[in-house]
Amino acid sequence: SQKIEQNSEALNIQEGKTATLTCNYTNYSPAYLQWYRQDPGRGPVFLLLIRENEKEKRKERLKVTFDTTLKQSLFHITASQPADSATYLCALDKANSGYALNFGKGTSLLVTP
Amino acid sequence: GAVVSQHPSWVICKSGTSVKIECRSLDFQATTMFWYRQFPKQSLMLMATSNEGSKATYEQGVEKDKFLINHASLTLSTLTVTSAHPEDSSFYICSASGTSTASTDTQYFGPGTRLTVL
Repeated sequence: SQKIEQNSEALNIQEGKTATLTCNYTNYSPAYLQWYRQDPGRGPVFLLLIRENEKEKRKERLKVTFDTTLKQSLFHITASQPADSATYLCALDKANSGYALNFGKGTSLLVTP
Repeated sequence: GAVVSQHPSWVICKSGTSVKIECRSLDFQATTMFWYRQFPKQSLMLMATSNEGSKATYEQGVEKDKFLINHASLTLSTLTVTSAHPEDSSFYICSASGTSTASTDTQYFGPGTRLTVL
């Protein structure tokens, strides 16, 4: 079955540094991969979508890479700020379910001043 | 643009009662809406997919007679948890995609509804 793995350990970094989060998947060949931000008690907020034929995508301080050979996506936040502290979810299109998504458990990021 | 709302944001009910949760797309037409459930420290799990005017498609293990979904218009879907029990306590989140959003494969999520069954 489709499996998505994100580092379950929280990532603590200092303000101004680059945060890098990892998403690995197995038994799967997704057409696209998405990253979401989720704050406590809130629904996910869409950040970036990258398709299988794209290697990298950027949006402001965010960068996502997608390696279909390694079955891995990396999510980078440059010049991180305390306001970036949240849980970041990786999501892939769910096979045979239209546009439904299969989510990882998320990685908690804490940016300290 | 592409705002999705949910109502209520939280609800507490007694075991055995039914609870209805509404999901609305405020500024776009949602041809497809999805209902997810999230337990503490867990990932979002898809419960069902609903297309406007059609019966919902439920994921394996989700009881369609317990979780009634209605998607009667392009801006509204409802999830009714019938005869709720404490194990149904969870965070229910809807999402929507459709025409006039950034792309049909981008989903926009509601803020979620916290259900607590006593």
